[in-house]
Amino acid sequence: GAGVSQSPRYKVAKRGQDVALRCDPISGHVSLFWYQQALGQGPEFLTYFQNEAQLDKSGLPSDRFFAERPEGSVSTLKIQRTQQEDSAVYLCASSLLMSEQYFGPGTRLTVT
Amino acid sequence: SQQGEEDPQALSIQEGENATMNCSYKTSINNLQWYRQNSGRGLVHLILIRSNEREKHSGRLRVTLDTSKKSSSLLITASRAADTASYFCALSTNAGGTSYGKLTFGQGTILTVHP
Repeated sequence: GAGVSQSPRYKVAKRGQDVALRCDPISGHVSLFWYQQALGQGPEFLTYFQNEAQLDKSGLPSDRFFAERPEGSVSTLKIQRTQQEDSAVYLCASSLLMSEQYFGPGTRLTVT
Repeated sequence: SQQGEEDPQALSIQEGENATMNCSYKTSINNLQWYRQNSGRGLVHLILIRSNEREKHSGRLRVTLDTSKKSSSLLITASRAADTASYFCALSTNAGGTSYGKLTFGQGTILTVHP
């Protein structure tokens, strides 16, 4: 069955470039989460959508990070003026309300 | 910190042995979840245990939860080489008034099962 998909799987950006990361959640899943995972660490919460509403963006590290989910399905995480410290794996997860989360394979971002 | 603290950080065992990983935390939880992550792959959900539950089983996995001690353990019985992965506990709390299932992950336990 179709799980959560993310694209691209790998992205190399030069410092200062803008990047956009896409997440296609499981159909019908109301909740969508973005997490950031640094090497050797557990994932850290970035932001949460319930349908198209962004209810929590407390984990976004700076105003260079922006996420949207305009139609309550596909979501995009955008990072402007990338910095080296943005290098990480960005994970998207979807779920029904208050249920286990299903994660995508992640996008590995490397900023050079 | 709302983060789960996992112990041990790394565990190396032989195939057929049991593996036990522990997770301690400091806050009240709605539920606690365990995830597995293979090298280079995404996170796979293993078990969710709610705050009013004490034990759950799924195949070779057994999870216990002691809310009085704020701790959980994951037991993998009769381990296989394919169980080699990082294992994370993740807390779902009402922190900050949120109740939508936001997860706070621990640092993980790296399990290596030798054939």
